[in-house]
Amino acid sequence: DAGVTQSPTHLIKTRGQQVTLRCSPKSGHDTVSWYQQALGQGPQFIFQYYEEEERQRGNFPDRFSGHQFPNYSSELNVNALWLGDSALYLCASSSGTFRGGEQYFGPGTRLTVT
Amino acid sequence: AQSVTQPDIHITVSEGASLELRCNYSYGATPYLFWYVQSPGQGLQLLLKYFSGDTLVQGIKGFEAEFKRSQSSFNLRKPSVHWSDAAEYFCAVVTSNYGGATNKLIFGTGTLLAVQP
Repeated sequence: DAGVTQSPTHLIKTRGQQVTLRCSPKSGHDTVSWYQQALGQGPQFIFQYYEEEERQRGNFPDRFSGHQFPNYSSELNVNALWLGDSALYLCASSSGTFRGGEQYFGPGTRLTVT
Repeated sequence: AQSVTQPDIHITVSEGASLELRCNYSYGATPYLFWYVQSPGQGLQLLLKYFSGDTLVQGIKGFEAEFKRSQSSFNLRKPSVHWSDAAEYFCAVVTSNYGGATNKLIFGTGTLLAVQP
């Protein structure tokens, strides 16, 4: 049983460009959350998708957007990249949004903006 | 607002020694608390969680944590550390829900554990 997978593993972009990151949840999971982890920091919540809708959003600008597909996979899009967007982007999946439910994290996508 | 504080940025222990990683949270109601571990190049793995019942919870890899409401703490412990425990450890709390269920995690800044032979 595959866990959470993310692609690509690494990505280098230039300021002002746009990027799309992808996530496939663990089998049986229907909820996907995205987190940004800057160097030396804990992950910061970006947003969560459930039933193909954005259910909750963290303190991130509208440059960050996402999508969830009928098969529960998800994309994170970032427009007009800044240097400060350089980080590890983590995807987590869960079955529903129960507060005590376990979230499974993928290995992340390392984004470098130059 | 909910928050999590991990006062120790970096800790070094000898293999076989005991370990305690500190975590303090700020939250009005009963919190849902988690400890995750992150090894280099890997995602976060859940070690244990607490949201009700016995305040001493057991997790994977021999870890345990104790919830102390009076101290707003949820410290992680292990009686004997192995070299493979070297990693970064994150304490996290799930926020309160507003009109619906939520499992949004708020993380601390992490504690990097180094293990000396």
